[in-house]
Amino acid sequence: AQKVTQAQTEISVVEKEDVTLDCVYETRDTTYYLFWYKQPPSGELVFLIRRNSFDEQNEISGRYSWNFQKSTSSFNFTITASQVVDSAVYFCALIPIIQGAQKLVFGQGTRLTINP
Amino acid sequence: DGGITQSPKYLFRKEGQNVTLSCEQNLNHDAMYWYRQDPGQGLRLIYYSQIVNDFQKGDIAEGYSVSREKKESFPLTVTSAQKNPTAFYLCASRRGLAGGGAGELFFGEGSRLTVL
Repeated sequence: AQKVTQAQTEISVVEKEDVTLDCVYETRDTTYYLFWYKQPPSGELVFLIRRNSFDEQNEISGRYSWNFQKSTSSFNFTITASQVVDSAVYFCALIPIIQGAQKLVFGQGTRLTINP
Repeated sequence: DGGITQSPKYLFRKEGQNVTLSCEQNLNHDAMYWYRQDPGQGLRLIYYSQIVNDFQKGDIAEGYSVSREKKESFPLTVTSAQKNPTAFYLCASRRGLAGGGAGELFFGEGSRLTVL
C-alpha cells in the first residue's frame, strides 16, 4: 500500500520569505509518479509538477523548486521569495506506474499563508 | 477550451433528499473520479470509473451512487443514506498510464453541498 505524509498542516510566513513544504511517501513499487497540486481559495486543484521515480534531478520553475530524494522518500517543494498569491493548500500525491493503477494517493495537505 | 465542468457550484439540500452533482469533461480522458473534501482535510475518494459503463467504489462510497453512460459524463448522486453529506465535492479526470498519460489528475472547480 502507498502512503503520503505531509506533516506540516499549516505554515505562515511573511511575504518574500522562502518556504519549504515537506512530503514523505511510502511505497513498495519501484516505479511511480509523484505530484504536487495547489488548491487556491477558489477550490480547484491545480497541477504543478509531476516527477518520475527514475528521475531524481531537481527541478526549478520560476520561484518554485522541487527536491526529490529517493533515498529518504521525500519530494519537498520550495517557494522562493513568497508572494501573497502563493497562499493556498498544497497537496502532494503518488501513483505507482503499474498496469491497472488508477488511484492517486494524496497527502493531507499543507495550508500555506503568506502575510503581506 | 478543454476542461472539466462541475455543476452546480453551490447546492443546498434538505435532509432526506437525494441530489445529483454533474461532472462533464471534454478532455477525452478515460478515467474519471469523485473526491470529497471536508474543511481542513485532505481528499477522500468516493468512486472512480476507468471506462464507460464501469465504475468502482473508492474509500468512502457508502451513501453515494454514480453512473458512467458516456465517456464525457460522470454524475454523482448523494443519497439520503449519506449521514453527513455537507462537504466540498471535486470531480477529476485522467488520461491514464495505458493511454500514454502520466497519471496526473485534472480537476473541476468543485461543488459545495450544504444540508440544511
